[in-house]
Amino acid sequence: GQSLEQPSEVTAVEGAIVQINCTYQTSGFYGLSWYQQHDGGAPTFLSYNALDGLEETGRFSSFLSRSDSYGYLLLQELQMKDSASYFCAVRDNQGGKLIFGQGTELSVKP
Amino acid sequence: EPEVTQTPSHQVTQMGQEVILRCVPISNHLYFYWYRQILGQKVEFLVSFYNNEISEKSEIFDDQFSVERPDGSNFTLKIRSTKLEDSAMYFCASSLTSGRTYEQYFGPGTRLTVT
Repeated sequence: GQSLEQPSEVTAVEGAIVQINCTYQTSGFYGLSWYQQHDGGAPTFLSYNALDGLEETGRFSSFLSRSDSYGYLLLQELQMKDSASYFCAVRDNQGGKLIFGQGTELSVKP
Repeated sequence: EPEVTQTPSHQVTQMGQEVILRCVPISNHLYFYWYRQILGQKVEFLVSFYNNEISEKSEIFDDQFSVERPDGSNFTLKIRSTKLEDSAMYFCASSLTSGRTYEQYFGPGTRLTVT
């Protein structure tokens, strides 16, 4: 079967750094994406890793290790507006279908 | 900034009725998708569409579902005879490529409530 595992919830304080892990088991692998979702709204693309290593975009970074079937999203200098659900998603074939994890609800406290 | 739009934002229908959910993908995008999210659960893939045909569909996308791109801008999802368990948020998404710099843009969703 296809499965992605990520923590259900994480709590951190403003200004801190938080890491959300994702392990996956899928029949194919073309890349790992991260999406942010506020209150059931549209998932918003954050990052995509097709190759091993770290990708940095502003306060957000994403890491992938294909040999470990593992990735993480790193959020730095947390702000209140970062409180949202974060989903990892595997693209398992060339066609682009995304298989989503259950999501991690991040709560940022003052 | 270009965005994916969806109509209606909320649709209430009775069990057994047909519904059509509409999406306008980003204009130069080539790949189109429908996903759904039951309240409090993960986003689930339904179908992908490229070059005017379905390229992949999930087990959820049975004979009651169909997709169409009737003109150069709209992309629709039809459910022929809705069931209670079809109640969910339905998201349309589009992408320019399926290549390495891969990003899907999601619309705001249509909340479907089947009573």
